[in-house]
Amino acid sequence: NAGVTQTPKFRILKIGQSMTLQCTQDMNHNYMYWYRQDPGMGLKLIYYSVGAGITDKGEVPNGYNVSRSTTEDFPLRLELAAPSQTSVYFCASRGAGSRNEQFFGPGTRLTVL
Amino acid sequence: GEDVEQSLFLSVREGDSSVINCTYTDSSSTYLYWYKQEPGAGLQLLTYIFSNMDMKQDQRLTVLLNKKDKHLSLRIADTQTGDSAIYFCAEPPGNRDDKIIFGKGTRLHILP
Repeated sequence: NAGVTQTPKFRILKIGQSMTLQCTQDMNHNYMYWYRQDPGMGLKLIYYSVGAGITDKGEVPNGYNVSRSTTEDFPLRLELAAPSQTSVYFCASRGAGSRNEQFFGPGTRLTVL
Repeated sequence: GEDVEQSLFLSVREGDSSVINCTYTDSSSTYLYWYKQEPGAGLQLLTYIFSNMDMKQDQRLTVLLNKKDKHLSLRIADTQTGDSAIYFCAEPPGNRDDKIIFGKGTRLHILP
């Protein structure tokens, strides 16, 4: 199993550009999450999904969109990039296990200039 | 609202014990978690404790839970250079099981 994979690893965007951060998991997990990590701020939940076709806003959803058309994929879309979206983005997934462990991807480092 | 608090930095000499502390607000959580983030990587579950336990030991790791004070700690015995990482305390908010709240993370620095 590859676990949770994210692409790209790094990206530089200009203000106003758009992009999609890809996330795929091969563990047949129903739950998937997008977080952003800023220095000294911990992880903030952007969006999450409890299954295909269902998405919910997290703590900081503004400026982002998601979709969940399949169990495996949970892409995060930035429509009009802003410098405040410079961050490291992590995707995670979780199965139905009793301890609710989340499995994280390696992250995408995004810089908006 | 739900919140998880932890100090941001800890420096420890190699071979000593490290103790990372956390306070949380939601007393209905079934589990409490410690995640570890190594440089340039995503988070990985390090250990967890059921809310009906006071202590859990796993090799060099000891987790202590004080439910009365809503205090969780992680002790790493015989700290090694490979323990250098950011450690996150986390809990599910409001007895939900669809998401968890992370603390800001404690960066553990190992002194030679």
